[in-house]
Amino acid sequence: GENVEQHPSTLSVQEGDSAVIKCTYSDSASNYFPWYKQELGKRPQLIIDIRSNVGEKKDQRIAVTLNKTAKHFSLHITETQPEDSAVYFCAPTNAGGTSYGKLTFGQGTILTVHP
Amino acid sequence: EAQVTQNPRYLITVTGKKLTVTCSQNMNHEYMSWYRQDPGLGLRQIYYSMNVEVTDKGDVPEGYKVSRKEKRNFPLILESPSPNQTSLYFCASSLRTGWNTEAFFGQGTRLTVV
Repeated sequence: GENVEQHPSTLSVQEGDSAVIKCTYSDSASNYFPWYKQELGKRPQLIIDIRSNVGEKKDQRIAVTLNKTAKHFSLHITETQPEDSAVYFCAPTNAGGTSYGKLTFGQGTILTVHP
Repeated sequence: EAQVTQNPRYLITVTGKKLTVTCSQNMNHEYMSWYRQDPGLGLRQIYYSMNVEVTDKGDVPEGYKVSRKEKRNFPLILESPSPNQTSLYFCASSLRTGWNTEAFFGQGTRLTVV
C-alpha cells in the first residue's frame, strides 16, 4: 500500500510570509495529487490538485509542485493570511488503478498564521 | 445542492450498544468511503465502496461494518462499540473521472463511547 508522509506536522508563520508543506509518497503508480484544507470544526475540502503529467499548478496564492522522480509534491501558500490557518492534508492516488478506492491521507499539517 | 449528508452529527453511547451512522450523497457518485480522524493520526480509511454491493477494507476496519445496497447510501455500523472507537468520523464520496478522484466529505459525526 501507499506510505504517505507530510512535513512539517506544525507550521507557524507571520501574516504575509510564505508557507510550504511537503508530501512524500511511496507508490510510483500514483498519478493524482490533491491537497485538502480543513478549517477548525469543518470538513476537509479540496483546494488544489495536480496530475502526474504536470509539474506545477497555481491558483492565486496557492500552488502545488510535483517531483515524480523523487516522489514528493508540495503545497505553497504565498502572502499568508489568518484565514489560511487550518489543517492541510495530502492524498496521493493512483486514479487509474483498480484499487484507486484505497485512499491514504497524510497525517496533516497544522498551519497557524499570526496576524 | 450537491452534498454528502451524515447523521447524526453528535452521538454519545455506551459500550456494546449497536449503532449506525448514516451517509447519503445526491451526486450519483460510484465511490464512497468512511474515515476516522484522531489527533496526530490524520484521516484513516475504515472501509470503502467502489459501487453498489462492492466494498473493501481500508486501513482500520476492525470493529466496523458497512453495506452498499443503494448507490446513494453507505451506512457505517458499529456492532459492539468500545471506547477506543471514540473519534470524529467522516463519510466521503467521489466520481472517478479517470484522473480526478476529488473526495467530497460529509459534515462529520463526533462519536463518544463511554
